[in-house]
Amino acid sequence: DAGITQSPRHKVTETGTPVTLRCHQTENHRYMYWYRQDPGHGLRLIHYSYGVKDTDKGEVSDGYSVSRSKTEDFLLTLESATSSQTSVYFCAISESTSQPQHFGDGTRLSIL
Amino acid sequence: DAKTTQPPSMDCAEGRAANLPCNHSTISGNEYVYWYRQIHSQGPQYIIHGLKNNETNEMASLIITEDRKSSTLILPHATLRDTAVYYCIVRPIYNQGGKLIFGQGTELSVKP
Repeated sequence: DAGITQSPRHKVTETGTPVTLRCHQTENHRYMYWYRQDPGHGLRLIHYSYGVKDTDKGEVSDGYSVSRSKTEDFLLTLESATSSQTSVYFCAISESTSQPQHFGDGTRLSIL
Repeated sequence: DAKTTQPPSMDCAEGRAANLPCNHSTISGNEYVYWYRQIHSQGPQYIIHGLKNNETNEMASLIITEDRKSSTLILPHATLRDTAVYYCIVRPIYNQGGKLIFGQGTELSVKP
């Protein structure tokens, strides 16, 4: 299995609070991705990174920001969480855009 | 991106081959066919991918028709642990941003 660790695995928080999810990899892959998975919508890309300090938006980026200060870590931040951001969040990594992506086990986030 | 069509669900007897079909009639010449699966509460798992030729690895075989408009994922000896949702994804070879578009997939139930 690809060395991907997501933390926390579960989190419950209140509307309006900031939340940061962490994705850590030990594979030294260049590309990292954040997806969210919701019933009826499948997995949707939030943001991705193509190198240290290089990030770009995905299809559902509103309300989310990301940072990548080291190759191994990709952080997803919800500046002011809303109930619509309750979801399961998956991190993925790949060596290049033409190589398969490998996924972490996810973070289940509930915003009350 | 080309769209895919998969049956929503299938059953398979344990020990038998599971053959999961996927239709991708609008695929272009520079697009791969990828297969992932997602076991309940886990992150998606990469299985196999191919462009034109049939492919085989330790997990499965991928058969792509000559016109590339459809493909079949074959799990040669299905076990109970293969029960999962299987996603067929069409992805450009040169994939800016590396986005994967997940559809609804096929829910495979392997029964004793």
